[in-house]
Amino acid sequence: EIVMTQSPATLSVSPGERATLSCRASQSVSSNLAWYQQKPGQAPRLLIYGASTRATGIPARFSGSGSGTEFTLTISSLQSEDFAVYYCQQYNNWPPAFGQGTRLEIK
Amino acid sequence: EVQLVESGGGLVQPGRSLRLSCAASGFTFDDYAMHWVRQAPGKGLEWVSGISWNSGSIGYADSVKGRFTISRDNAKNSLYLQMNSLRAEDTALYYCAKDQEAAGSSPYFDLWGRGTLVTVSS
Repeated sequence: EIVMTQSPATLSVSPGERATLSCRASQSVSSNLAWYQQKPGQAPRLLIYGASTRATGIPARFSGSGSGTEFTLTISSLQSEDFAVYYCQQYNNWPPAFGQGTRLEIK
Repeated sequence: EVQLVESGGGLVQPGRSLRLSCAASGFTFDDYAMHWVRQAPGKGLEWVSGISWNSGSIGYADSVKGRFTISRDNAKNSLYLQMNSLRAEDTALYYCAKDQEAAGSSPYFDLWGRGTLVTVSS
């Protein structure tokens, strides 16, 4: 099974600044990587699929990059509503697997 | 409105059974594979099980294999999870999640329900 590792566990960033979240796969997942955002008390929301394609309705300040084993989610200018937990998920190999999450908090 | 609504959660003793349901609306249910994903309190997301559009392909996480059974009724736009021999470690919020394609072999999840809480405790 593929293990997904996210870093850092917690990231403190000021509103308006850039946030960079990392996700590493234990073996290549090609570009079959998704990112989700989860706010307290809410279900996860799909942000990115195919490593870099924004889902419907996702603002352009969210961007994804990477392939193989190293991936990055970048939020270019943090808004108050972006402070949440972010998960990556590989869907290249069975079973699908999530990272443990990165909590993005207000600095 | 496009939505998924889970039901059937509750408090159950270890070793007992529970059946979860997920009602889908606002999209063509039998065009897509469907999945269950769970989240233990304060923890991350864990994929549990998935089923293809026609129930021809089914998969389970090792942690639930042999105890849980996923099924769907396309005529009722509904997804189910039969959970037997429940353990304390099955305590979690169980989400119903829509796949982006029919086969379910490379799933990511573009629509989620709000979840139903299962608590396994004596």
